[in-house]
Amino acid sequence: EVQLVESGGGLVQPGGSLRLSCAASGFTFSNYNIYWVRQAPGKGLEYVSSISSNGASTYYANSVKGRFTISRDNSKNTLYLQMGSLTAEDMAVYYCARQGSSGFFDYWGPGTLVTVSS
Amino acid sequence: EIVLTQSPATLSLSPGERATLSCRASQSVNNNLAWYQQKPGQAPRLLIYDASNRATGIPARFSGSGSGTDFTLTISSLEPEDFAVYYCQQRSNWPWTFGQGTKVEIK
Repeated sequence: EVQLVESGGGLVQPGGSLRLSCAASGFTFSNYNIYWVRQAPGKGLEYVSSISSNGASTYYANSVKGRFTISRDNSKNTLYLQMGSLTAEDMAVYYCARQGSSGFFDYWGPGTLVTVSS
Repeated sequence: EIVLTQSPATLSLSPGERATLSCRASQSVNNNLAWYQQKPGQAPRLLIYDASNRATGIPARFSGSGSGTDFTLTISSLEPEDFAVYYCQQRSNWPWTFGQGTKVEIK
């Protein structure tokens, strides 16, 4: 069974940093591009960042470029998102999602909540 | 950036009724469009990809149509578990974008 499970969310002060993780199982992790998508409370979905299957290519939304870094460890089947200079606008549930053979997101994790507040 | 506009924002219907949801793109996305369903407290679930293909395990009452800039998700007969928020998403142009969602609620 394909599973993605995020962790690392929590309460952080404005300007602070946080690292999210996404543990994958049930599929060959190294064969898939993986994405971070976030959802602010009561709002819609927003693409954040993505990384190619071998980690060679990374992409970021303009809203997080220069502040967030995506990475992966294929030996550990784990995806990461290092977040810095956090603001209230970054407060959201962060999902990791797999890009399937359709090109769209066929599996999602349950999400991890990031709260930015003093 | 391609803007996806979904309408209506809320659709109030009864079980058994037909639901028709719209997604309009600010420029052509060809058929590079998907629909997702999201229930409260859950992650989105892929329903339709490439505008009209049902994802694995999705019931036949869900269908998608359209190409270019205008797309439709149709639920032929609403089941109780179909009341949720639905999002469209394009992967034609970077950055990939989502619509703002349509909530299908029980009337």
